[in-house]
Amino acid sequence: DSGVTQTPKHLITATGQRVTLRCSPRSGDLSVYWYQQSLDQGLQFLIQYYNGEERAKGNILERFSAQQFPDLHSELNLSSLELGDSALYFCASSPRTSSTGELFFGEGSRLTVL
Amino acid sequence: GENVEQHPSTLSVQEGDSAVIKCTYSDSASNYFPWYKQELGKGPQLIIDIRSNVGEKKDQRIAVTLNKTAKHFSLHITETQPEDSAVYFCAASSNTGNQFYFGTGTSLTVIP
Repeated sequence: DSGVTQTPKHLITATGQRVTLRCSPRSGDLSVYWYQQSLDQGLQFLIQYYNGEERAKGNILERFSAQQFPDLHSELNLSSLELGDSALYFCASSPRTSSTGELFFGEGSRLTVL
Repeated sequence: GENVEQHPSTLSVQEGDSAVIKCTYSDSASNYFPWYKQELGKGPQLIIDIRSNVGEKKDQRIAVTLNKTAKHFSLHITETQPEDSAVYFCAASSNTGNQFYFGTGTSLTVIP
């Protein structure tokens, strides 16, 4: 158990809809990273937050947004969903602001868009 | 930005044999190279990492080597066991950056 909690574990929705994925980092970790893993794809970096502030942005679509709250949990909002958004979305946390050191991954939220 | 390439994409070995996975990176500023193991239905988990001031690191049956000049690093698993079957990801990052760049993964199957 990494200590990172993601909900929901599975989500099935329709095209055009909006969903919110939630992540609770390990106790004490200030950094939260979001990754997308599509079938046969690697881990695509979406966005990083540190202590409530956005620190880095990857290939995140404009239809996607995220935030980190004062209690350090984070939410990834996906809107106007398309079939191609079907993927496994991982949250990872780290105590560091910089990208060195271990990332602790949650078990992911599997999104299926029909 | 950084570009990490990983090979092979799939690898099958007999139990007891060794497995080697190779990665190359492009940014000479990268100085931290972790390897993650992802078992079915789970999130990736760090198994070993190496920093640029070290050429090799070993932890029991797992070792990682780094060649800074050639910009490549490799994961070596010896005496493979069925429980080593998983997807392995390499990554590169720098302490001046804010993201990890992951390879595309290697699906390792250890045949009993």
